[in-house]
Amino acid sequence: SQQGEEDPQALSIQEGENATMNCSYKTSINNLQWYRQNSGRGLVHLILIRSNEREKHSGRLRVTLDTSKKSSSLLITASRAADTASYYCATDEETSGSRLTFGEGTQLTVNP
Amino acid sequence: KAGVTQTPRYLIKTRGQQVTLSCSPISGHRSVSWYQQTPGQGLQFLFEYFSETQRNKGNFPGRFSGRQFSNSRSEMNVSTLELGDSALYLCASSPHGVNEQFFGPGTRLTVL
Repeated sequence: SQQGEEDPQALSIQEGENATMNCSYKTSINNLQWYRQNSGRGLVHLILIRSNEREKHSGRLRVTLDTSKKSSSLLITASRAADTASYYCATDEETSGSRLTFGEGTQLTVNP
Repeated sequence: KAGVTQTPRYLIKTRGQQVTLSCSPISGHRSVSWYQQTPGQGLQFLFEYFSETQRNKGNFPGRFSGRQFSNSRSEMNVSTLELGDSALYLCASSPHGVNEQFFGPGTRLTVL
């Protein structure tokens, strides 16, 4: 079963705009990660934020984590058509070690 | 380093048959995890192997099994295939099983 939910399920924007995706989870976690998947292919790791961190940046990506609300957000700035993909948050829970539990994903479409 | 490879990439089987999927992790990675991705259930954890031992297992029936060899290569087997087993099966490797996972391109299994 899924750990949590992602919001929105689908997002369509124009190139150059910012895209924000949200993720909620249910249990205590060690880390939260974001992955990207292009059309039925393998997942690509984007960024990892630890449970004791509140914000992290990597290039055009900004991730925030609010453990009190059990939620995270991924912001992609100045989006490009190549950013079109599905984005998933994944958590590894304190009690399950190596198992990643994925959200339902957000389908992002960036129109040229 | 070469990435995670999975073979075969596509597979068509009929109900009742069995199937074996193979995963070669990134050189030096000792942890291999398997995930099933379907439109209805999303990404679900199957199991994880570390140094030839199953370290973690998801909520799948006993028809799903796996193993890991001394060179860290892993196989998963599904016996008595059902229509609902049609899915993209993803393999991921990491040095120790925690944090960032590196995913292969997946094996697309279709059960007729």
